[in-house]
Amino acid sequence: DAKTTQPPSMDCAEGRAANLPCNHSTISGNEYVYWYRQIHSQGPQYIIHGLKNNETNEMASLIITEDRKSSTLILPHATLRDTAVYYCIDGGSNYKLTFGKGTLLTVNP
Amino acid sequence: DTGVSQDPRHKITKRGQNVTFRCDPISEHNRLYWYRQTLGQGPEFLTYFQNEAQLEKSRLLSDRFSAERPKGSFSTLEIQRTEQGDSAMYLCASSLAGVENIQYFGAGTRLSVL
Repeated sequence: DAKTTQPPSMDCAEGRAANLPCNHSTISGNEYVYWYRQIHSQGPQYIIHGLKNNETNEMASLIITEDRKSSTLILPHATLRDTAVYYCIDGGSNYKLTFGKGTLLTVNP
Repeated sequence: DTGVSQDPRHKITKRGQNVTFRCDPISEHNRLYWYRQTLGQGPEFLTYFQNEAQLEKSRLLSDRFSAERPKGSFSTLEIQRTEQGDSAMYLCASSLAGVENIQYFGAGTRLSVL
């Protein structure tokens, strides 16, 4: 079973920031947090990962709390193409990703 | 396009028939993974290879399932005597050893067992 918890769904207006939360209270000290998303009819797509520092790449920013029990994925200017299921995964295995049900983000025009 | 290709994209079969899916990973990736995804759920791990060696199999992978990666390049997943419960999306992913949790997924093969 997934060791992270996420809200089942969220809405965001196009052009606004989307902030997707994730709780990972059982994460170990050396386990990274990974975020993937899955657009309808496609395979999951890697977005970003982090350990304890905030991270940013061309797709998103990742904010990890100091106690590492939760994180927030930020899409700074959401577009309609960002509508997808977003998965937060703790990196407890070196060979498999354990997906939960994720958060369905719907970006509205 | 992630560089991982799967064939076919869709397969409809009758219960009891055998089916085989193919996955071509990113060429320099030595790890290859198979996942299964049913409606409304996240993908579930089935098995993975490092080069041609199959190193781990989930208990989800019953005796009717077999996966191969004969030359450490493409992989096949065969399901024998399909059952309606096998209907799902079968996803393949690949990665480099050392960055195992950054996996690149194909678009999947959707299996419908009638």
